[in-house]
Amino acid sequence: EDQVTQSPEALRLQEGESSSLNCSYTVSGLRGLFWYRQDPGKGPEFLFTLYSAGEEKEKERLKATLTKKESFLHITAPKPEDSATYLCAVNSGGSNYKLTFGKGTLLTVNP
Amino acid sequence: DVKVTQSSRYLVKRTGEKVFLECVQDMDHENMFWYRQDPGLGLRLIYFSYDVKMKEKGDIPEGYSVSREKKERFSLILESASTNQTSMYLCASRSYYGYTFGSGTRLTVV
Repeated sequence: EDQVTQSPEALRLQEGESSSLNCSYTVSGLRGLFWYRQDPGKGPEFLFTLYSAGEEKEKERLKATLTKKESFLHITAPKPEDSATYLCAVNSGGSNYKLTFGKGTLLTVNP
Repeated sequence: DVKVTQSSRYLVKRTGEKVFLECVQDMDHENMFWYRQDPGLGLRLIYFSYDVKMKEKGDIPEGYSVSREKKERFSLILESASTNQTSMYLCASRSYYGYTFGSGTRLTVV
């Protein structure tokens, strides 16, 4: 059974203070690792998909990396508008394409 | 861009009522999903569908059923709503590039 563990559960940063969020996973065969951002009361918003170890993707202040056991979401010089819950999910293939999610990291960036 | 629309943002229903949650996607995707999201538990898969009239149970299907009569529409049905089904319900659609979620339906059962 696929498992995804995110840490920390909550992270509070000052504006401009860079940090990383962790997503550890156990799957039988990774078909994709996904990062989403979720604002309160809204649906998850897609950020990145990573498929193989060593892959990296960037978008504005966010950079996602992938190893065989974990993924990191690096946030460089965050701003208050980056405050949200960040979700990690994996797809291990098969015919159903279902995503298994971690419980998320609640990021708060103070001005 | 793919658009996934959930018909209601907020719903309040009484215990025992039959509840329909509707989800529509606009890109002819085959795979659609229903999740529920609860504090401390994250997103959990209820049901998914891989084509018209085709469905499979997810991790927590008890108390729910689904219907997919047309490719663009995937409905979640609570046969007899109970208070433990109070939750945020999220629909998703899968394309080659990834998964797109709707904005969610916050259901309260009283």
